[in-house]
Amino acid sequence: AQTVTQSQPEMSVQEAETVTLSCTYDTSESNYYLFWYKQPPSRQMILVIRQEAYKQQNATENRFSVNFQKAAKSFSLKISDSQLGDTAMYFCAFMNRGSSNTGKLIFGQGTTLQVKP
Amino acid sequence: DAGITQSPRHKVTETGTPVTLRCHQTENHRYMYWYRQDPGHGLRLIHYSYGVKDTDKGEVSDGYSVSRSKTEDFLLTLESATSSQTSVYFCAITGTSTNYGYTFGSGTRLTVV
Repeated sequence: AQTVTQSQPEMSVQEAETVTLSCTYDTSESNYYLFWYKQPPSRQMILVIRQEAYKQQNATENRFSVNFQKAAKSFSLKISDSQLGDTAMYFCAFMNRGSSNTGKLIFGQGTTLQVKP
Repeated sequence: DAGITQSPRHKVTETGTPVTLRCHQTENHRYMYWYRQDPGHGLRLIHYSYGVKDTDKGEVSDGYSVSRSKTEDFLLTLESATSSQTSVYFCAITGTSTNYGYTFGSGTRLTVV
């Protein structure tokens, strides 16, 4: 069974600085996707970024980028130029893309990020 | 406009009463999911559906049942609510190409007293 671990329950960063959120996962599959979701105080779940396991290039979306280390099963999220609106809980998630795929997402425990002015 | 709506947004119920949460989508997506969110656990899958009348269990399905009689509606029922089912419940949808991730509903905060 796949598992996703976020070992940092809480983090804080000063506005305009850079912060990295950690995520590790365990799987025997080779074909999968990884995601980062953001949940602000409004409770809405928002997709931040996705990474396809077969792609070596790290995904980027504006100020958000990932460091995907497939051999180490590590998938960290870097937020550059942090903004007050980045304050939220962030979830790392795994999706198996094998033949039995049903689109199920497996989530980590979440990391609460506070951006301080 | 949102594509997916959940109702109710908040609910307080008594132990032992039945509760039904509704998820409605306008995207005609095949896959629908129910998750619960609890501190320290992230989101955990309760049940999911891969078509009308096609459902399967997730990792925390005990005490829950689901039904999907139409593509657009996915109902989650707590047959006899318990305090351990106090949680925030999310519905999510995804299309045939599941690799683009989910669209989530706005969640239902359920309190069982």
